[in-house]
Amino acid sequence: NFMLTQPHSVSESPGKTVTISCTGSSGSIASNYVQWFQQRPGSAPTTVLYDNNERPSGVPDRFSGSIDSSSNSASLTISGLKTEDEADYYCHSYDSNYHGVFGGGTKLTVL
Amino acid sequence: QLQLQESGPGLVKPSETLSLTCTVSGGSISSSNYYWGWIRQPPGKGLEWIGSIYYTGSTYYNPSLKSRVTISIDTSKNQFSLNLSAMTAADTAVFYCASQPGGNSWSWGQGTLVTVSS
Repeated sequence: NFMLTQPHSVSESPGKTVTISCTGSSGSIASNYVQWFQQRPGSAPTTVLYDNNERPSGVPDRFSGSIDSSSNSASLTISGLKTEDEADYYCHSYDSNYHGVFGGGTKLTVL
Repeated sequence: QLQLQESGPGLVKPSETLSLTCTVSGGSISSSNYYWGWIRQPPGKGLEWIGSIYYTGSTYYNPSLKSRVTISIDTSKNQFSLNLSAMTAADTAVFYCASQPGGNSWSWGQGTLVTVSS
């Protein structure tokens, strides 16, 4: 079964840059688009990136995404960290049969 | 801007079938290149993809839930629905509906908590 693996938690100081990885277990992560979702406590997820590196309107350009085929990973990078960025982040993609798969989620602490 | 709203029971007995409906506003559920999906999140845990449906009725289910899941669509009401049978305590979760458009951002419902208990 195709799986996406994320670090359980990351932490960084305000104003700094943090990168959250999302590693595919098999196949090529570049075969299907990756989405990234932000979830604050008690709220529904919201989209911060779709199609690997596209930002919905209203999401600041401090959020960016990339794909690294050599490590079969996608990454979410947040620059100029703000305390409001503190949340859980989930990556999502599809397996070869178009079944959706979420990563386990990464808790971002901004301290 | 699409808006999605889940509706259904907040409490289900063990072995019963959960039925949830997602009502879509601000756009047509028959839009091409749009998939409509269900996702759940057990308390304190991560997101789990349940399945999705295209407006034509084509469905895709999580293999681990496939034997218990049915997703359907009602274009006349601009709604799609989830049935999950043989519910157990392990199915207690917040259930979300979401639009999954190709080449565009997902929109999510606010979520509805479903508790399985006798």
